[in-house]
Amino acid sequence: QKEVEQNSGPLSVPEGAIASLNCTYSDRGSQSFFWYRQYSGKSPELIMFIYSNGDKEDGRFTAQLNKASQYVSLLIRDSQPSDSATYLCAVNIPTNSGYALNFGKGTSLLVTP
Amino acid sequence: EAGVVQSPRYKIIEKKQPVAFWCNPISGHNTLYWYLQNLGQGPELLIRYENEEAVDDSRLPKDRFSAERLKGVDSTLKIQPAELGDSAVYLCASSHGTGSSQYFGPGTRLLVL
Repeated sequence: QKEVEQNSGPLSVPEGAIASLNCTYSDRGSQSFFWYRQYSGKSPELIMFIYSNGDKEDGRFTAQLNKASQYVSLLIRDSQPSDSATYLCAVNIPTNSGYALNFGKGTSLLVTP
Repeated sequence: EAGVVQSPRYKIIEKKQPVAFWCNPISGHNTLYWYLQNLGQGPELLIRYENEEAVDDSRLPKDRFSAERLKGVDSTLKIQPAELGDSAVYLCASSHGTGSSQYFGPGTRLLVL
């Protein structure tokens, strides 16, 4: 089983703080990594992807990847109540027929005013 | 650019009845995916199409589930007969190719009574 692990939370942060969401994965052959945001009752929405070790910034979001440690994280700066959602980590794993995207169970984030 | 379109958005049926879900991917996306998502879990892949070919259907319960993408554009997922445990959200996603970023439709919420 190709595992993607996330702390289910809830992670509670005050408005304006940095939220740090973490994810570990088991398959060293994983090539690409994605973060999705999912509001309650809605479908997942892609917010970030990262392929290379290091940091990738997009507005208030920073994705961090460390392939040696099999660890990927998402930082949300200046957190807003509208960021309250479940954040899904997804890892693209090579298969015989291409790639399969494996999702974690998600981390619930609550940003309090 | 229009997103992934799915219908119906909600479906309530009695067990042993058939049900079908329809998906139209983002224009130009040749890869189409069907996922199942249970409450508190990440999406789980059921089947992946490259154009009209099902290249990964290893997780599709073939005794009761079937899918088709006859012209390599829109797709239909069918369950016959439905069981109580099939109650879940059925998500369709599309991408430019395997390994590329996947974009989800709004999903179909199925309740089997």
